[in-house]
Amino acid sequence: EAQVTQNPRYLITVTGKKLTVTCSQNMNHEYMSWYRQDPGLGLRQIYYSMNVEVTDKGDVPEGYKVSRKEKRNFPLILESPSPNQTSLYFCASSGPGNSPLHFGNGTRLTVT
Amino acid sequence: RKEVEQDPGPFNVPEGATVAFNCTYSNSASQSFFWYRQDCRKEPKLLMSVYSSGNEDGRFTAQLNRASQYISLLIRDSKLSDSATYLCVVRRFDDYKLSFGAGTTVTVRA
Repeated sequence: EAQVTQNPRYLITVTGKKLTVTCSQNMNHEYMSWYRQDPGLGLRQIYYSMNVEVTDKGDVPEGYKVSRKEKRNFPLILESPSPNQTSLYFCASSGPGNSPLHFGNGTRLTVT
Repeated sequence: RKEVEQDPGPFNVPEGATVAFNCTYSNSASQSFFWYRQDCRKEPKLLMSVYSSGNEDGRFTAQLNRASQYISLLIRDSKLSDSATYLCVVRRFDDYKLSFGAGTTVTVRA
């Protein structure tokens, strides 16, 4: 089954403790991206990647890192999480041209 | 000005009603257009792509107006299960950047 898989689904952590949210897709998509969704603000792009070893900042990259060493994986790294990074996070991927985005089922992160 | 804007609603309609709402985009380099449906705190799911000539998928009709830079979604014969937030997504031609509207909430009541 074609899918985007994120882990974990839920994560509660403390300020400053490094964490990684994994994202993997099995559709051989070149484009992958990370979003956060907060009430009243909609989906905001954190980082995106057009291909292996190519990553770019989205609209809200501060406090996040990503890597794209392989086509299928695009982990999101929070080196020193802070409470304002408490949010619902989605990973997504898409094929070329006019292809739509496929979303993972989300990671709800709480930073205390 | 936001790149993609939607009327947030909520649109509160009875079962069987028709509801329609728009999404405006500001970048004329926009190439691809989509409507997604999002249920509370779940991942957005593709409802339909929007084609230049307009397209239908069952009770859902999408239209694109390039001159006025907006897309629309019309839902006929609303069902309770249509209650959701509908997100407008626009992809740019030049750099493939995707922009999201904040969503339009539709509530269908019995």
